[in-house]
Parts: sequence; C-alpha cells; structure tokens
Amino acid sequence: EDKVVQSPLSLVVHEGDTVTLNCSYEVTNFRSLLWYKQEKKAPTFLFMLTSSGIEKKSGRLSSILDKKELFSILNITATQTGDSAVYLCAVEKGNNNDMRFGAGTRLTVKP
Amino acid sequence: DTAVSQTPKYLVTQMGNDKSIKCEQNLGHDTMYWYKQDSKKFLKIMFSYNNKELIINETVPNRFSPKSPDKAHLNLHINSLELGDSAVYFCASSQAVQSTDTQYFGPGTRLTVL
Repeated sequence: EDKVVQSPLSLVVHEGDTVTLNCSYEVTNFRSLLWYKQEKKAPTFLFMLTSSGIEKKSGRLSSILDKKELFSILNITATQTGDSAVYLCAVEKGNNNDMRFGAGTRLTVKP
Repeated sequence: DTAVSQTPKYLVTQMGNDKSIKCEQNLGHDTMYWYKQDSKKFLKIMFSYNNKELIINETVPNRFSPKSPDKAHLNLHINSLELGDSAVYFCASSQAVQSTDTQYFGPGTRLTVL
C-alpha cells in the first residue's frame, strides 16, 4: 500500500529559528515529490523534486530528495510569522500523475 | 481505510460529453473541496462546501456544478466537456471551514478530454 508520512505533525518555533520538515514515502513507480504550503484556501506550490541530491531553493526555503532512502526534507531558515501554515508533501507515481498526499506538518511561528 | 476517495481514478471522454466525478470522505469532516491541478502542479480551488452548503465558488465556468447529497459526499458534474478541462481534479476535506484546518486530499481523478 502506498504511504506518504510527514513528521512532525506539528511544530511550534520562534521567529528566527530554522526548521526541518520531513516527508518519507513508500510508493510504487515513483515519479516526483512535491511540497505545498497551505495557509488559507488553496495550497501554494513550493517545489517539485525528481532527482536525488539536487537542492531546490527559493528564498529562505530549500528542499532536497533522497530516492535511495525514500525521503525529502523541507528547510526553512530564519522563520517568520508568515511561515505559519500547514506544509503538505505529495508524491506523484506512475505516468498518469497519480498523487498521494501526506497529512501535513502544521508549523506555528511565534513572534 | 481510505479517508478521502474519488471515483473514477481515470476518465477519458470526448468533447461535448457530460461526466461526473465522485468524492467521499469517511473522516466525519464538515467541509469538502474540489481543486483543479494545472500542468505546473498548481492547485486551484474550485468549490468548497460546508455541511452541504456552498461556501466558496471561485471563477469556474457554470458547466461545472458541484452537488453535495450529504456532508460525506461532494460530487462534481461537468457538462459539455472541453479540451481545456483536461486536468487532474482533487477532492479534499477538513474538519471545519476555518482557514487553519488541515485539508486531507484524495488521490485525484485524471480527466482527459479528446
């Protein structure tokens, strides 16, 4: 059975802290891993990772994939209160963009 | 047990046809959503229902009509399908309608319009 497991489920930090969010997966026919930030209505797309070891960066956010150990991490440096959100990991499998979402990590950044 | 399920998983149809996608959640949640995922993996919200009542109706052609027979189900009916409707459609649910509630996503339905 396909699994996408995120940890921790929730995290509370203070502004300026660095956080690491984890996503491990077990799926057949892996294609790519995606990270989304969910604040209000629709989740906002952050990264798509397909190759191991290549870091993707966007401002204070970065992410990397390890296809051997079947996990990805999302790092946020110098956190701000605006980073407070649920971060979703999703894995695409197969050739038909079949996706499995994790349950999310709820990040709360306190001033 | 599957928390949020969608049927069918894949749907291939001709332009002009009418089709439905079904969504069911067994989490006891009050709120359900439909999203369309574009080719860049962006998720665009289409509709949101809370306890069978329409809450969000984004700019979506009126060929798309959601129906919620009960709070565990939110179906999406599409009339007169067009090529541009081809996409992956995701259903999600959350405990309530607050923006901070975590949404749980279904596996998606890939719609291909020929």
